[in-house]
Amino acid sequence: DIQMTQSPSSLSASVGDRVTITCRASQSVGTYLNWYQHKPGKAPNLLIYAASSLQGGVPSRFSGSGSGTDFTLTIRSLQPEDFATYYCQQSYTMPYTFGQGTRLQIK
Amino acid sequence: QVKLQESGPGLVKPSETLSLTCTVTGGSISSYYWSWIRQPPGKGLEWIGYIYYTGSTNYNPSLKSRVTTSVDTSKSQFSLKLSSVTAADTAVYYCARGPSGSYLHFDYWGQGTLVTVSS
Repeated sequence: DIQMTQSPSSLSASVGDRVTITCRASQSVGTYLNWYQHKPGKAPNLLIYAASSLQGGVPSRFSGSGSGTDFTLTIRSLQPEDFATYYCQQSYTMPYTFGQGTRLQIK
Repeated sequence: QVKLQESGPGLVKPSETLSLTCTVTGGSISSYYWSWIRQPPGKGLEWIGYIYYTGSTNYNPSLKSRVTTSVDTSKSQFSLKLSSVTAADTAVYYCARGPSGSYLHFDYWGQGTLVTVSS
């Protein structure tokens, strides 16, 4: 299975900050990399697919980049509603696998 | 807006079979793949498997021997059965649409349902 490793596992930031979350795959996944936002008790929400494509309805302050094994999710100018846990997921090969999550907390 | 809702028992005894159903509203179940994903307490997300609306399936090899899925297009529902459960199967279970599109993402999810395995 392809292992997905996110860093950091948790992060404290303030409203208005720019934050970057990193995801590394144990082998190349091309651009078959997706990012999700998850708030407690809610359905996870697709933010980015194909490494850098913004899902419809997602604010443009979210962006993704990378290819191969190294990927980043950037949130420009954090808003209060952005405090959540973020997961990367590879869809290059089955079984599809997820990173362990990055919990973004308010500083 | 497509919405998914999981339903089923929240408590299952060890060695028994976990059964969950996902109801899809606001969109068609046809022409899509539908997945089950779980998250044990304090752990990451694990893809369990998918079923296509035609009934074809693909499962995570780690669970394949215990997983069965089915789809009922007339009710816009798909279901999961996981047999011989143990405490390690305690998790929040999510249903999701996908893998979807050219890049095989999960674009709609349910809110999840906690299933506890305990006697």
